[in-house]
Amino acid sequence: NAGVTQTPKFQVLKTGQSMTLQCAQDMNHEYMSWYRQDPGMGLRLIHYSVGAGITDQGEVPNGYNVSRSTTEDFPLRLLLAAPSQTSVYFCASALTISGNTIYFGEGSWLTVV
Amino acid sequence: QKEVEQDPGPLSVPEGAIVSLNCTYSNSAFQYFMWYRQYSRKGPELLMYTYSSGNKEDGRFTAQVDKSSKYISLFIRDSQPSDSATYLCAMSTRNTNAGKSTFGDGTTLTVKP
Repeated sequence: NAGVTQTPKFQVLKTGQSMTLQCAQDMNHEYMSWYRQDPGMGLRLIHYSVGAGITDQGEVPNGYNVSRSTTEDFPLRLLLAAPSQTSVYFCASALTISGNTIYFGEGSWLTVV
Repeated sequence: QKEVEQDPGPLSVPEGAIVSLNCTYSNSAFQYFMWYRQYSRKGPELLMYTYSSGNKEDGRFTAQVDKSSKYISLFIRDSQPSDSATYLCAMSTRNTNAGKSTFGDGTTLTVKP
């Protein structure tokens, strides 16, 4: 059972480059989300989705785009990478937004130089 | 001021010790309280979930919620080296549950053999 799968695990980007972090879940979960984790700032919600075709902003959405064309996939796009986006990114899913359990992926370590 | 404050640690204890991990919060609307365990270079995984005030026990782990003091704790009895990880508290309101939880910054625990 794969759960929540993120790729790539590690990435180095130059300032101004763009890239997409991929996230897929095989649990037929309605809710998917992206967090970033930084020292001293905990996990902060970037964007989330409550179903295919529906996305919304979280606490720190600036500089990131998302789309949800299928239930399974929820990619996070960085259009113009900045050093401030150096972080660890986690994709997560739950059965519904009101579900009690979030399942996290293993993380994507991104460095922007 | 952050909505959720977590004892920063790090915490280092000998094997077999009782560990107490703590969080305070300011939002009285929080009703769902979670503890996540995060091993190094891995995503968080749900450890304990509690609704409203009271205690919940699961094996060596006990989660305690005191809503009157806006204080939650996680106790680990007979701590093991395999408990070495970062522990994150998380909280959510009645309407959002897991979907938009607010996380603490985490406390890193090391259990020495």
